[in-house]
Amino acid sequence: GESVGLHLPTLSVQEGDNSIINCAYSNSASDYFIWYKQESGKGPQFIIDIRSNMDKRQGQRVTVLLNKTVKHLSLQIAATQPGDSAVYFCAENNKGYSTLTFGKGTMLLVSP
Amino acid sequence: SQTIHQWPATLVQPVGSPLSLECTVEGTSNPNLYWYRQAAGRGLQLLFYSVGIGQISSEVPQNLSASRPQDRQFILSSKKLLLSDSGFYLCAWSSLIAGELFFGEGSRLTVL
Repeated sequence: GESVGLHLPTLSVQEGDNSIINCAYSNSASDYFIWYKQESGKGPQFIIDIRSNMDKRQGQRVTVLLNKTVKHLSLQIAATQPGDSAVYFCAENNKGYSTLTFGKGTMLLVSP
Repeated sequence: SQTIHQWPATLVQPVGSPLSLECTVEGTSNPNLYWYRQAAGRGLQLLFYSVGIGQISSEVPQNLSASRPQDRQFILSSKKLLLSDSGFYLCAWSSLIAGELFFGEGSRLTVL
């Protein structure tokens, strides 16, 4: 598959643990943020999004936190499972037309 | 439901040869369409986006071009491939400004 994991920051957790993946974004004018999950050799899949008028949003087993003061975004995954192993990207939008700017990604490795 | 298809999934081409990657979206009208490239171990770089038939915006100068001959068809081309064109190419669509992107499964290009 695609070797997107090389040279990426890696977070290793045990199955059942909670995972926190962090992202620093660059543009204080960004008003929309998304987390994507990418499995090896596949296209990114949407996980959760948040707009800049919010600081927290929850989904199923996932929570996104936005701190606009320090331009920081985090993804929390509860009760991490082996199927959560993938590369996770944050993305920000500040240009309109969904021209998202992606971070470099973090590889999450979940051990059973 | 909406679906996005891109092909070929894998391509090995010699330097100097032409390229054509195709992407089609089904189940929606007037989508915004995008081509991203992902080098190994890196994030996604936006190459082109289109908000309508015949309209193409280029984000980075390069050896590639894009065309949108039909509402739901997006093509990535090159007349002469370079070694540096190798990568994982992703097509995506969105229906909203500053909204979620939906990605295809990707096309892995290796230029030898």
